[in-house]
Amino acid sequence: GAVVSQHPSRVICKSGTSVKIECRSLDFQATTMFWYRQFPKKSLMLMATSNEGSKATYEQGVEKDKFLINHASLTLSTLTVTSAHPEDSSFYICSARATPGGSQYNEQFFGPGTRLTVL
Amino acid sequence: DQQVKQNSPSLSVQEGRISILNCDYTNSMFDYFLWYKKYPAEGPTFLISISSIKDKNEDGRFTVFLNKSAKHLSLHIVPSQPGDSAVYFCAADNTDKLIFGTGTRLQVFP
Repeated sequence: GAVVSQHPSRVICKSGTSVKIECRSLDFQATTMFWYRQFPKKSLMLMATSNEGSKATYEQGVEKDKFLINHASLTLSTLTVTSAHPEDSSFYICSARATPGGSQYNEQFFGPGTRLTVL
Repeated sequence: DQQVKQNSPSLSVQEGRISILNCDYTNSMFDYFLWYKKYPAEGPTFLISISSIKDKNEDGRFTVFLNKSAKHLSLHIVPSQPGDSAVYFCAADNTDKLIFGTGTRLQVFP
């Protein structure tokens, strides 16, 4: 089956620093990758959609200058949390989709997630 | 505005019995629905899906029912097993992205 990895699995950083999270599709080419954030006891909230080679599309309320997304290749997308603050502490999950946008079946494969703790 | 809702945050079921997880949605344009299972500190894993042209889809112990007129779907797990204990999310396909419900924590006890 399709496998998506994330690195690191958990990270602790000081307030004001930047943190980069990688999302890789290991055995397929991902035309689209998604970044989600999960708050405790809350749903998965879509932050942004990134298509390889183009700018990410951010959901309403998500600061694009704070959460930088790069989708430089068909197997790698990165999320950089810039100038992290304690309120950015959360569980970040990426997913990858192989089929082009507009397909009826929006099959996404999820990574294992990254736990970010900002002190 | 929560377009996909799971009104029961938790459910406790005895092993061997049926687990029924419910999900409601507000947008009648949604035409594809998925259920995901999630363990703590892990990403969601796909369980089962259903297209709006169907009202039932079955895969082993898992069956999803869709009532379009009521904008309601449910996931039935029978018989429930302790390993089914997890958080279950329903999701609606909104063309290019998935919209998730808030999740229901299922606990299956012996």
